[in-house]
Amino acid sequence: QKEVEQNSGPLSVPEGAIASLNCTYSDRVSQSFFWYRQYSGKSPELIMSIYSNGDKEDGRFTAQLNKASQYVSLLIRDSQPSDSATYLCAAHDSGGSNYKLTFGKGTLLTVNP
Amino acid sequence: ETGVTQSPTHLIKTRGQQVTLRCSSQSGHNTVSWYQQALGQGPQFIFQYYREEENGRGNFPPRFSGLQFPNYSSELNVNALELDDSALYLCASSFGQTNEKLFFGSGTQLSVL
Repeated sequence: QKEVEQNSGPLSVPEGAIASLNCTYSDRVSQSFFWYRQYSGKSPELIMSIYSNGDKEDGRFTAQLNKASQYVSLLIRDSQPSDSATYLCAAHDSGGSNYKLTFGKGTLLTVNP
Repeated sequence: ETGVTQSPTHLIKTRGQQVTLRCSSQSGHNTVSWYQQALGQGPQFIFQYYREEENGRGNFPPRFSGLQFPNYSSELNVNALELDDSALYLCASSFGQTNEKLFFGSGTQLSVL
């Protein structure tokens, strides 16, 4: 059973701080990883994707991937109250020809003004 | 807004009933995936449709079935509803069966009483 594990939180950080969200996955075959943001009562929105070991930066967001440790993280710099949401980590299931994503349960982030 | 529309937004059914949920994919997208998101959980893959054919299925019983139409819109049907079917049902569209860029609709909140 392929699994993606996340600390459910809640993670609380003050405005302007760095929020660090972590994720581990069980399937060594997984090649692609994604971070989705989901506001309460809304649908998931893709914010970052990462495919290679190392860091990938996009504005205030940095995704980090370590395939040897089967570990993915998301850093949010200069956190804003509008970043308060649940962050879902997802891994691509490479079995078969479809594009199935396996999601973690999500980490609830609260940014306090 | 992703351009993926789902209907209805909310639905209340009783145990044993049948339900049909609908999804219109984003213009130009030919692949639709359905996910179930229970409260406090990450989305779980139900199945994917590509060019009107089921192209992969998650760990869901046969009473979950679907269709994709020539215009790439899709339906999710659930028979013999159970209380545990209460969840947010998300439709995601993409171009191509292996495209990782999933665009989620706003979902249908199903409550089974």
